[in-house]
Amino acid sequence: DGGITQSPKYLFRKEGQNVTLSCEQNLNHDAMYWYRQDPGQGLRLIYYSQIVNDFQKGDIAEGYSVSREKKESFPLTVTSAQKNPTAFYLCASSAWTSGKRGDTQYFGPGTRLTVL
Amino acid sequence: KNEVEQSPQNLTAQEGEFITINCSYSVGISALHWLQQHPGGGIVSLFMLSSGKKKHGRLIATINIQEKHSSLHITASHPRDSAVYICAVTNAGKSTFGDGTTLTVKP
Repeated sequence: DGGITQSPKYLFRKEGQNVTLSCEQNLNHDAMYWYRQDPGQGLRLIYYSQIVNDFQKGDIAEGYSVSREKKESFPLTVTSAQKNPTAFYLCASSAWTSGKRGDTQYFGPGTRLTVL
Repeated sequence: KNEVEQSPQNLTAQEGEFITINCSYSVGISALHWLQQHPGGGIVSLFMLSSGKKKHGRLIATINIQEKHSSLHITASHPRDSAVYICAVTNAGKSTFGDGTTLTVKP
């Protein structure tokens, strides 16, 4: 079955620790995205990547880092510099075209991070 | 003001009612998406629109590009339709999301 997997589903960390969230897709999509969702708010873009070994900051990149060494994988690290890391994190992917049309994004199940 | 505004924020309906959720946007777009998020958090894409109207089962989505407005309709609503419905607009591969409409359908 093709899809996006995120692990773990729930994650607890102590304040000051870095934590890495996993995102893997087997849809052969070029583009991958990380979003953060807070209660009552829309999804906000953290980072996105249109191609391997390249990524761009989104609207709220401060305190986060990513890598894109493989097409299938786009891990997100929440660093100790992120002031309010407790949130629901969603990974998505899409088939990147020329950018002239929007492609459907497929979402993973999400990881709920709680920093204690 | 958000670039994507949804209304209403919350909606409660009785089973069988016709539901309408609205989305207005203020930026240029290449496509508009309607997404459904269930309580567990997973998000499913319902529609991608760039013009006109699409129908899938009891769900209908319309878009008016000139007015920068889209609507999602649910006919004969059912308790299993209870979810958060999110409007998102895409341009150059990047998406901007509305805050979502929480729909509760009571039996």
